[in-house]
Amino acid sequence: DGGITQSPKYLFRKEGQNVTLSCEQNLNHDAMYWYRQDPGQGLRLIYYSQIVNDFQKGDIAEGYSVSREKKESFPLTVTSAQKNPTAFYLCASSARLAGVAKNIQYFGAGTRLSVL
Amino acid sequence: GESVGLHLPTLSVQEGDNSIINCAYSNSASDYFIWYKQESGKGPQFIIDIRSNMDKRQGQRVTVLLNKTVKHLSLQIAATQPGDSAVYFCAETVMNSGYSTLTFGKGTMLLVSP
Repeated sequence: DGGITQSPKYLFRKEGQNVTLSCEQNLNHDAMYWYRQDPGQGLRLIYYSQIVNDFQKGDIAEGYSVSREKKESFPLTVTSAQKNPTAFYLCASSARLAGVAKNIQYFGAGTRLSVL
Repeated sequence: GESVGLHLPTLSVQEGDNSIINCAYSNSASDYFIWYKQESGKGPQFIIDIRSNMDKRQGQRVTVLLNKTVKHLSLQIAATQPGDSAVYFCAETVMNSGYSTLTFGKGTMLLVSP
């Protein structure tokens, strides 16, 4: 079954705690992305990675960290510095096409993070 | 319609009607656009895309129109069905260091009544 798997589906964070959201893809895509979605809002880019061992900050990277040690995996850590972490987090991947605008991103089912 | 705070613009239609969802984009240099459908509690799904050198592209029951002069996209859904009820997002390409990322609009909720 090809696609993008996010886990867990629901996650609860205590005050001052770091939590890590998992994202795995078996589409052989080079590029991976993390977005945050708040109720009634669009998607905002947190971090993205075009290739293993490389990643760039998106529009709202503060309070988040990522790693890209394997092509298939792009975990997101929500740190205690993120004061308003309650949101729906979406991971996506796409084929990496240098210099080409076409960028169809395929999304996982999301992780809903809440603060206890 | 305009997005106001937390409230998504909403389009309510009857089953069988044609639906038109509109989107204004911001970057006149954007070269590529995508429409996504997001059902409640799920990730967005790709519907259709269009390059900036085209004005119109058709898929199965969907058509995307692009007006670069006024930076406007629309998604037309023919014979709308209850299963089309979802939030629809347009996304435009932004080039960063030779690779592209997507900037998403705020979305429009489509409600289809039987």
